[in-house]
Amino acid sequence: GAVVSQHPSWVICKSGTSVKIECRSLDFQATTMFWYRQFPKQSLMLMATSNEGSKATYEQGVEKDKFLINHASLTLSTLTVTSAHPEDSSFYICSAGVSPNPAEQYFGPGTRLTVT
Amino acid sequence: TQLLEQSPQFLSIQEGENLTVYCNSSSVFSSLQWYRQEPGEGPVLLVTVVTGGEVKKLKRLTFQFGDARKDSSLHITAAQPGDTGLYLCAGDTSGTYKYIFGTGTRLKVLA
Repeated sequence: GAVVSQHPSWVICKSGTSVKIECRSLDFQATTMFWYRQFPKQSLMLMATSNEGSKATYEQGVEKDKFLINHASLTLSTLTVTSAHPEDSSFYICSAGVSPNPAEQYFGPGTRLTVT
Repeated sequence: TQLLEQSPQFLSIQEGENLTVYCNSSSVFSSLQWYRQEPGEGPVLLVTVVTGGEVKKLKRLTFQFGDARKDSSLHITAAQPGDTGLYLCAGDTSGTYKYIFGTGTRLKVLA
């Protein structure tokens, strides 16, 4: 089956620093990737939709200058949390849509970010 | 803001029991998905339903899409401890494959 990886799986950073999270589709080309965040014991909240070669589309309430998304190739999307604060601590999950049927999105294992 | 409400929020049952989880919204979905997520991992897709009234079966799991495509249910027969996890429905209202997730149902099956 389609495999999506995320790196790192967990990261601890100091308040004010930036953190980059990578999402890779390992055995397929993903025209669309989605970024979610999940707080403990809660559901997933869609942050943004990322299409290869174009600017990401952010959901209402998500600061695009704080959560920078780059989708430079059909197998890689990155999420950079800039000037991280403790309230940004969360579980960040990406998913990749399988062309030509993006309804079949496959999720990465997630990245746990802790900001101290 | 569209909202997918799942019920119940939490469910703890004995092995062998049956259960049903519901996913409801006021919005019409072009497609709806069910996922299962284990702690510290990403969700795993169980099924996608697209046609009103559609019923799909996956071993002991039965998924139904409402006739009006506003709601869905997941029924598990003879639950096993391995079914323990967070069950999430996710709906696409725009036909653009952008799925909004439900509030989640946390299931615990006791041996």
